[in-house]
Amino acid sequence: GENVEQHPSTLSVQEGDSAVIKCTYSDSASNYFPWYKQELGKGPQLIIDIRSNVGEKKDQRIAVTLNKTAKHFSLHITETQPEDSAVYFCAASKRRSQGNLIFGKGTKLSVKP
Amino acid sequence: GAGVSQSPRYKVAKRGQDVALRCDPISGHVSLFWYQQALGQGPEFLTYFQNEAQLDKSGLPSDRFFAERPEGSVSTLKIQRTQQEDSAVYLCASSIAGGTYNEQFFGPGTRLTVL
Repeated sequence: GENVEQHPSTLSVQEGDSAVIKCTYSDSASNYFPWYKQELGKGPQLIIDIRSNVGEKKDQRIAVTLNKTAKHFSLHITETQPEDSAVYFCAASKRRSQGNLIFGKGTKLSVKP
Repeated sequence: GAGVSQSPRYKVAKRGQDVALRCDPISGHVSLFWYQQALGQGPEFLTYFQNEAQLDKSGLPSDRFFAERPEGSVSTLKIQRTQQEDSAVYLCASSIAGGTYNEQFFGPGTRLTVL
């Protein structure tokens, strides 16, 4: 079955710096890759996603890149702010599935003011 | 607007007790998922409903776990004879339709602690 690896497990940056989180997946049938942000005591919230027919997607300070050949995808956050501090999860879902997600183990991002 | 709600938010059970966790999805959402999130880990898929039909229960860890969605809206996850390893946050998510690309909206979860 699908396996999603996520690195690093913790990341600390200064406010205004960039943050990059990387994930790899094992199943070439995976074709949808969402990123979720989870704040303490809350459920995960979708922040950006990318489909396998696209190499890059950007939404204001957040961008995601996908390399299908290498089976890895990355989240980039620019101009980080203290409110970006949270746990971020990457996930993968297979084509023609009901949509259940396979998650990475998460990255705890701390943005220091 | 109203999102996915779950109750109770916290549940403490003694080992061997049965528990029932409730999920109220976003109104009109056809698909409903249950995930289990252990401390410091990512959510893991348990089961999937399309309306009232349970189409996938491959992630349920044992036959002590049972889920239902009898009228295609509210869902209940029941755990019988709870064990310490069942301690986790149980997340419910709904999406407007099934399939790969539909956003899943998560509830806040129920934190289950088994003593």
